[in-house]
Amino acid sequence: DIQMTQSPSSLSASVGDRVTITCRANQTISTNLNWYQQKPGKAPKLLIYSVSNLQSGVPSRFSGSGSGTDFTLTISSLQPEDFATYYCHQSYSSFHTFGQGTKLEIK
Amino acid sequence: QVQLVQSGAEVKKPGASVKVSCKASGYTFTNYYLHWVRQAPGQGLEWMGIINPSGGSTRYAQKFQGRVTMSTVYMELTSLRTEDTAVYYCASSWTVDSAMGIWGQGTTVIVSS
Repeated sequence: DIQMTQSPSSLSASVGDRVTITCRANQTISTNLNWYQQKPGKAPKLLIYSVSNLQSGVPSRFSGSGSGTDFTLTISSLQPEDFATYYCHQSYSSFHTFGQGTKLEIK
Repeated sequence: QVQLVQSGAEVKKPGASVKVSCKASGYTFTNYYLHWVRQAPGQGLEWMGIINPSGGSTRYAQKFQGRVTMSTVYMELTSLRTEDTAVYYCASSWTVDSAMGIWGQGTTVIVSS
């Protein structure tokens, strides 16, 4: 299986900060990289698909970039509702896998 | 409204089986692939497998091979262990290699003696 490694595992930040989360695959996954946001007790919500495409309704402060094996999710100016856990997901191989998650907390 | 609605919580004993249903509404079910993802308490997301509702073909994560069966409306996990305690989600994607855009609300399965 393709291993997905996110960093950091947790992050403390303040409202208005710019935040970047990294996701690395142990082999190339083309552009089959997606990002989800999950809040406690809720199902994950798709934020970005195919590296950099914003899902409908997702604020433009979220953006994604990368290629091959290294990818990033950036939140340009944190809002109170953005404090959550974020997961990357590769859909390149026959067997999908997720990163371990990055918990974004309020400083 | 496009949504996936799952069945209610379950409590099972070790060795038993559980069947979790997932019902789609607001869209043509056979046009989307259906995934199952689980999340143990305090842990991350774990992909379990995928089914093509159009043809019924399936692909299961190696970890669950032999214990999981996915149909177009349910996922069954057999020979339950305490470590199978988790929230189980169904989620849909346009193609076999695209993102999961619609998620069910989750079903809690507790395995305890």
